Amino acid sequence: QKEVEQNSGPLSVPEGAIASLNCTYSDRVSQSFFWYRQYSGKSPELIMSIYSNGDKEDGRFTAQLNKASQYVSLLIRDSQPSDSATYLCAVNGLSTGGGNKLTFGTGTQLKVEL
Amino acid sequence: DTEVTQTPKHLVMGMTNKKSLKCEQHMGHRAMYWYKQKAKKPPELMFVYSYEKLSINESVPSRFSPECPNSSLLNLHLHALQPEDSALYLCASSQEGGLGLHTQYFGPGTRLTVL
Repeated sequence: QKEVEQNSGPLSVPEGAIASLNCTYSDRVSQSFFWYRQYSGKSPELIMSIYSNGDKEDGRFTAQLNKASQYVSLLIRDSQPSDSATYLCAVNGLSTGGGNKLTFGTGTQLKVEL
Repeated sequence: DTEVTQTPKHLVMGMTNKKSLKCEQHMGHRAMYWYKQKAKKPPELMFVYSYEKLSINESVPSRFSPECPNSSLLNLHLHALQPEDSALYLCASSQEGGLGLHTQYFGPGTRLTVL
């Protein structure tokens, strides 16, 4: 069974620090990797997508992918209180048409403290 | 524009009621999804439509009935629900195709309460 694992947290970091969120996955054929941010009572919002090994940066966010080790991470630089949310890691396997089935991790709750 | 809209935002229904949730996107996406999310849990896939045809049904009880009238609309018809069906129902859409085209974008959700 495909699995995506995340530390549920809460992960507490001081304002201005770097928050590091990690995710491991079990299915070696996984092709696409996503980080979603979800505020309490709201829907998931796409933060980053990554498909190739290495780093991908977008503003304060950096996604890192290592397919050999089957992990993907999200770094948030200069963390702000508004970053406090649950971060969902999602993994997608080979696309064979008929839609795309994401496997979600259970999410990591991030708290940025003043 | 990466907007997916859902109506209503909130819905309260009794166990004998029939109601429908609606989802709409105008991004030209040809895959649409229904998810159910309980508190402090990740979204749980229910159905996937691809080119207006049902492609994935995750063994969802028949009291949930999906419908895709056209490429922009997705409905979820509800009948004889149970209190444990109370949850946030999320719609998402994505393109069809190869790597990089199938990012899923979520709507704001419908908060459903079954009494």
